[in-house]
Order: sequence, then C-alpha cells, then structure tokens
Amino acid sequence: NAGVTQTPKFRVLKTGQSMTLLCAQDMNHEYMYWYRQDPGMGLRLIHYSVGEGTTAKGEVPDGYNVSRLKKQNFLLGLESAAPSQTSVYFCASEGDRPYGYTFGSGTRLTVV
Amino acid sequence: GENVEQHPSTLSVQEGDSAVIKCTYSDSASNYFPWYKQELGKGPQLIIDIRSNVGEKKDQRIAVTLNKTAKHFSLHITETQPEDSAVYFCAALRYYQLIWGAGTKLIIKP
Repeated sequence: NAGVTQTPKFRVLKTGQSMTLLCAQDMNHEYMYWYRQDPGMGLRLIHYSVGEGTTAKGEVPDGYNVSRLKKQNFLLGLESAAPSQTSVYFCASEGDRPYGYTFGSGTRLTVV
Repeated sequence: GENVEQHPSTLSVQEGDSAVIKCTYSDSASNYFPWYKQELGKGPQLIIDIRSNVGEKKDQRIAVTLNKTAKHFSLHITETQPEDSAVYFCAALRYYQLIWGAGTKLIIKP
C-alpha cells in the first residue's frame, strides 16, 4: 500500500548515543517533514525538505540533522541524544500544494 | 508569525450528540485550513480541509466552517460514534508551512 513508512517504531537510547530515523514514501511527493509530538504541545516542526537534495530548519531544529539524498527518503539524525529528545517523531510527505499531509505511524524514542 | 489556538483541549460528549472544536488564527494571509484526526498509536490523518474562498464544507457527518473576518474556523461532528474518539488537530497554512493547534482530545461517552 502506498504511504509513508517510518523505521524503527520504538527505540531506547542512552544519553550521548546517536541514531538515525528513516522515513520512506512511495507517492513521489516533493515535500517531506519531520515533526516531534510531546504531550500537550501538538506537533512541532523539526526540519523539512522541499525536494531532493534540499533541507531547511523548522521550529525546533537544535540537536537534529537531516538529509534528503533520494526523493523518497528523508533521514533524521540525532548526533548526541539528550533526555529532552524523548518524544514521538512523525514523518510526513506532501504532494501538490496545498494538499493534505500523509503521516507515518511514528517512532517512539526514549532517551535515558 | 502565525499562531493557531485550539479549544477545548478535551471534549467529552454523549454518543449521538454533536461535537464542535474551534480554532483561531492570527495571520490574515493564511488561506488553507485542514483538520486531522489522530487515533491512539497512529499518525494524524487528514479528515477535511477548507480553503479561504469557501465558508463551509461538509463530508457526511463532518463539516468545517470558516469565518475569515473573525479569523476562526470550526470542526463540527454530528451524530458522534465511538470511533470518533481521537485527538483532533487544526492547522493553518502560512507561507507554505502548516502551523498546528495543540489538539483536542474528543471522548465519546456510551
């Protein structure tokens, strides 16, 4: 089925460890987004991409890096995880604008 | 910049009754307003949207109204059912980025 796939679904990291979250979409969408969702705070944009090879900062980019080497993939990296990065991370893609976002099912990350 | 406020944060209604969630936005240049539903353990899913040149849009039991003058838009769910229980998010499009409300947890009481 067409959609947005996020891996992994769950992860526990120790403070200072690094990891990469993968987002893959098969809808040929140009725009892709990484959000974090924390209780009572809704969705906050971390980074986004308007096309292959391009990335830009969102509302809360500190501590994260991203890459969009292929159109279908958008990677979110944490170089040195901190407990404040404990959250649920969602990836979304968007087709023709303005258009609805298609979200992945999320990655629940806990940093201890 | 744009700010989207969403109320209430929690809404509990009797099954079969109607539910209304309201959002206000600050930037008059915003021209697209989607609503998303997020079920437990899943990502948000678009349920209805409205563009600034339209005052109301309906899709079966769901409707969205937009008042551009007052800068607010609302989600209306009629004849609520247990499967309507979820968190609902509104958003406003500003400069090609969605600005999100904080969400409303809708509880349907049997």
